[in-house]
Amino acid sequence: EADIYQTPRYLVIGTGKKITLECSQTMGHDKMYWYQQDPGMELHLIHYSYGVNSTEKGDLSSESTVSRIRTEHFPLTLESARPSHTSQYLCASRGVVNSPLHFGNGTRLTVT
Amino acid sequence: EDKVVQSPLSLVVHEGDTVTLNCSYEVTNFRSLLWYKQEKKAPTFLFMLTSSGIEKKSGRLSSILDKKELSSILNITATQTGDSAIYLCAVSGTGGYQKVTFGTGTKLQVIP
Repeated sequence: EADIYQTPRYLVIGTGKKITLECSQTMGHDKMYWYQQDPGMELHLIHYSYGVNSTEKGDLSSESTVSRIRTEHFPLTLESARPSHTSQYLCASRGVVNSPLHFGNGTRLTVT
Repeated sequence: EDKVVQSPLSLVVHEGDTVTLNCSYEVTNFRSLLWYKQEKKAPTFLFMLTSSGIEKKSGRLSSILDKKELSSILNITATQTGDSAIYLCAVSGTGGYQKVTFGTGTKLQVIP
């Protein structure tokens, strides 16, 4: 069982609202990632973190922001949600070098 | 730019059939290739293949890495309806954040 948790599982929200997607892991992993996945499409990396106070943007441009104040917590924030943000957001973490990614159950976001 | 291509994109088989899923890749400084199974929610880890571990097997599933051909296959024997899922291939290169690039996946449907 993965020890990485995402909340909420589903979120339907109106345009212009600010939202924060939560991601926490209990494995003590330094590296954490946010992926965006549209139905039937590949996972696209939007943010990653090496460790506390380290965040970088991924390959896919995103209007979201992230923070890493604690090792176990890597929240993603959208200041003003838009319909184009509708997607599934997957959080993942990774421990030692060359270990697999562990994924949370994802947040399916719908912006109306 | 790192690239992962999977084939076929989708596949429908009958229970008991054997299937072979393909993955080819282009990556800078290859470190590992990973296979994941994705049902309704998060991808779950199946195998990791590296230069020192080019063949893995677990029950009815097995995978081989061909570093010369820059490809991998995932075999599933005696398929069951519970094998129905999207199978994702990903490659990890070297670099500080160990970038992981995913393919679009192969959607497998096993019918009774």
